[in-house]
Amino acid sequence: DSGVTQTPKHLITATGQRVTLRCSPRSGDLSVYWYQQSLDQGLQFLIQYYNGEERAKGNILERFSAQQFPDLHSELNLSSLELGDSALYFCASSVDRRGAYNEQFFGPGTRLTVL
Amino acid sequence: KNEVEQSPQNLTAQEGEFITINCSYSVGISALHWLQQHPGGGIVSLFMLSSGKKKHGRLIATINIQEKHSSLHITASHPRDSAVYICAQNRDDKIIFGKGTRLHILP
Repeated sequence: DSGVTQTPKHLITATGQRVTLRCSPRSGDLSVYWYQQSLDQGLQFLIQYYNGEERAKGNILERFSAQQFPDLHSELNLSSLELGDSALYFCASSVDRRGAYNEQFFGPGTRLTVL
Repeated sequence: KNEVEQSPQNLTAQEGEFITINCSYSVGISALHWLQQHPGGGIVSLFMLSSGKKKHGRLIATINIQEKHSSLHITASHPRDSAVYICAQNRDDKIIFGKGTRLHILP
């Protein structure tokens, strides 16, 4: 158990809909990372938040957004869903200090299926 | 061309064999990660390194900054080591992943 929790574990929805994925980092970790893993693209970095602020952006679509709340949990919002958004979405957390990198601890993932 | 290249893509070996998985990257990095993903999907961070060598149990990770190359070694491999091993680099606040090496250890 990494100490990172993600909900829900599975999500099935229809095209055009909007969903919210939730992540609670390990106690004391300030950074939260979101990743997408699809069969054809592999793991891709979406976005990182550090202590409530966006720190880095990867291949995140404009239809997707994220935020980190004062209690450090994070939510990833996916809207206008398309079939191609079906994937495993992981979040990870680390203690990261600004300018430094630390080991990341991964949550169990949310499997999103868009029908 | 992926900026992080792993080889081999697939590897099948007998229990007890010494395993090496390679990772090459094209641009200077801040840190390099080795991850393990089990068939159930869960991801575990094995190592994060920016220089030299790290060891944890039967796993050893090395990195050569000049050659932009890292290796993950598994000694005395066991069927429970069967998983996908993924290398990823931190660069400019972004994380770039290799496509992974699927390892299958036969009993």
